[in-house]
Amino acid sequence: DAGVIQSPRHEVTEMGQEVTLRCKPISGHNSLFWYRQTMMRGLELLIYFNNNVPIDDSGMPEDRFSAKMPNASFSTLKIQPSEPRDSAVYFCASTAGPSNEQYFGPGTRLTVT
Amino acid sequence: KQEVTQIPAALSVPEGENLVLNCSFTDSAIYNLQWFRQDPGKGLTSLLLIQSSQREQTSGRLNASLDKSSGRSTLYIAASQPGDSATYLCAALNDYKLSFGAGTTVTVRA
Repeated sequence: DAGVIQSPRHEVTEMGQEVTLRCKPISGHNSLFWYRQTMMRGLELLIYFNNNVPIDDSGMPEDRFSAKMPNASFSTLKIQPSEPRDSAVYFCASTAGPSNEQYFGPGTRLTVT
Repeated sequence: KQEVTQIPAALSVPEGENLVLNCSFTDSAIYNLQWFRQDPGKGLTSLLLIQSSQREQTSGRLNASLDKSSGRSTLYIAASQPGDSATYLCAALNDYKLSFGAGTTVTVRA
């Protein structure tokens, strides 16, 4: 299995631009999570999907952030407009069930200048 | 809200020494506890997962214990090697939510 796939691996953009991060979970996994990692706050859960439905988006910092999961094999996290404080590493993780072991993707390092 | 704490924040040991990494959590109603390794600029690699009903889990030189009632887990790494240098994160799972500690950064000196 290829594991969780994320793209792009690195993204550099200017403040005000739209950013879209992508994730392909492990085949057969029905739960997907988006996390953000920063030096100041560590790893934080942004949003959790189960069977493609958003269950908990309480970690999404602002309305500028949105996430979708149109099907079982694809999810996006969008930031519009982006701000320098959004600079972080964004991880996607998937699992066969919400209480099972989570498998993380390699992350997308976002820099907003 | 689950709070996870890892002590120490950093550790430097000579090669061959055993490593002991500590993790504590405030809400004992966990489903499981996972230990991860993160290399600089890289993603998270799952090392061990301990279910709430288990007391310990072993994989090669790694052994993790869990004391749910006291809210503690310990990761032991035997006979450390320079390749073990990394940041180790523990994470406690409540319902679907994984709460992470800040990590322990380990340096193994050759």
